[in-house]
Amino acid sequence: QVQLQESGPGLVKPSETLSLTCTVSGGSISPYYWTWIRQSPGKGLEWIGYIYYSGSTNYNPSLKSRVTISVDTSKNQFSLKLSSVTAADTAVYYCARVRNYYDSSDYYFYFDYWGQGTLVTVSS
Amino acid sequence: QSVLTQPPSASGTPGQRVTISCSGSSSNIGSDFVNWYQHLPGTAPKLLIYGNNQRPSGVPDRFSGSKSGTSASLAISGLQSEDEADYYCAAWDDGLNGVVFGGGTKLTVL
Repeated sequence: QVQLQESGPGLVKPSETLSLTCTVSGGSISPYYWTWIRQSPGKGLEWIGYIYYSGSTNYNPSLKSRVTISVDTSKNQFSLKLSSVTAADTAVYYCARVRNYYDSSDYYFYFDYWGQGTLVTVSS
Repeated sequence: QSVLTQPPSASGTPGQRVTISCSGSSSNIGSDFVNWYQHLPGTAPKLLIYGNNQRPSGVPDRFSGSKSGTSASLAISGLQSEDEADYYCAAWDDGLNGVVFGGGTKLTVL
């Protein structure tokens, strides 16, 4: 059974960089895509971006200028960096595995395993 | 404001059938598959339905999904107390070139 665990500081100061790591166990990080999603207090889920095990990325345009997602296959981990954070970035951050494939002409794209999430508060 | 629109709440009594709607546009639901996730606060969200109406292994057949045009629905039959959770729809958006979610529906089992 694949398991994901987020880790990183729970408190970040405004204007600084939020850094989180997701450790994958029970399976290999290749050949999958991996993603970050967040949920601000009282709000719905927001997709942040994803990375392929080889390193190619795709980010939510609303966060693209501040987001970097990277992967370390040797450690079976991938990471999120979000720069210049403000209180609006306070959220529970989730990591998840992406399943994407073609079946005939149909393209499937969904998140099949998720971490428990970690709360990051932006405050001075 | 979420790209996909869901009712903020839904409710039902044990044994009842409940449906949760998800409305989008031609750039997301209208052209791509819809997935549904179940989330109990404090736990990892769980994939409930993928590809509009496919259930992952282990998801009871009480849960079913459907799609028509730019809208989708999640139906839960034989409602149970453990179904009380938040439910989110999601789809790929061709304009965003990324994933969009609904705002979530909080299901209460009365």
